[in-house]
Amino acid sequence: QLQLQESGPGLVKPSETLSLTCSVSDDSIRSNTYFWGWIRQPPGKGLEWIGSIRLGGNTHYNPSLASRVSVSRDTSKNQFSLKLSSMAAADTAIYYCARGTGGYNWHYWGLGTLVTVSS
Amino acid sequence: EIVLTQSPATLSLSPGERATLSCRASQSVTNYLTWYQQKPGQAPRLLIYDASNRATGIPARFSGSGSGTDFTLTISSLEPEDFAVYYCQQRSSGLSFGGGTRVEIK
Repeated sequence: QLQLQESGPGLVKPSETLSLTCSVSDDSIRSNTYFWGWIRQPPGKGLEWIGSIRLGGNTHYNPSLASRVSVSRDTSKNQFSLKLSSMAAADTAIYYCARGTGGYNWHYWGLGTLVTVSS
Repeated sequence: EIVLTQSPATLSLSPGERATLSCRASQSVTNYLTWYQQKPGQAPRLLIYDASNRATGIPARFSGSGSGTDFTLTISSLEPEDFAVYYCQQRSSGLSFGGGTRVEIK
């Protein structure tokens, strides 16, 4: 059973850059079959897609976040990463990583990691 | 940006009853519509993809229908474990989620 695990700081100061990593339990990140994405959820609210990447390195970002987001992958480590700059209180959320097939059907999710923005 | 509107916001039903959840898109998404279930403290779980295809391991009581701008998720007979929040998501143009429908025990 595929497992995804998010890692990174639980607390970030305003204006700082958030860096999160998603570790994938198998080597499917080396396959062009899958999409790899980040989705977040503010406490008590709905889901928001942040961005995605495929094996070829093609990235796709939510237009509302595109100026602040970067998604990358390291196939040698079976990982992909998120960087979100200029963090603000509104970015406080649970951040999920996920694997998608068939174009952004997110079949597998990590457990999520809560990131709080506070000074 | 395609906006997905889910209704109702909350659905109060009893176990054994039929649940009908709606998702309306601001423009056509053809059949690129996915449904997820989320329970408290858990990540979302994919139920239905491409409007009507059940994901592996999803019980037959869950079904999806619709195309274009109007979609429905139906739970034919609610089990206790089905009380949760349900989200729709489109992948026709970019990617966006609906605001969710909470199915609660009446």
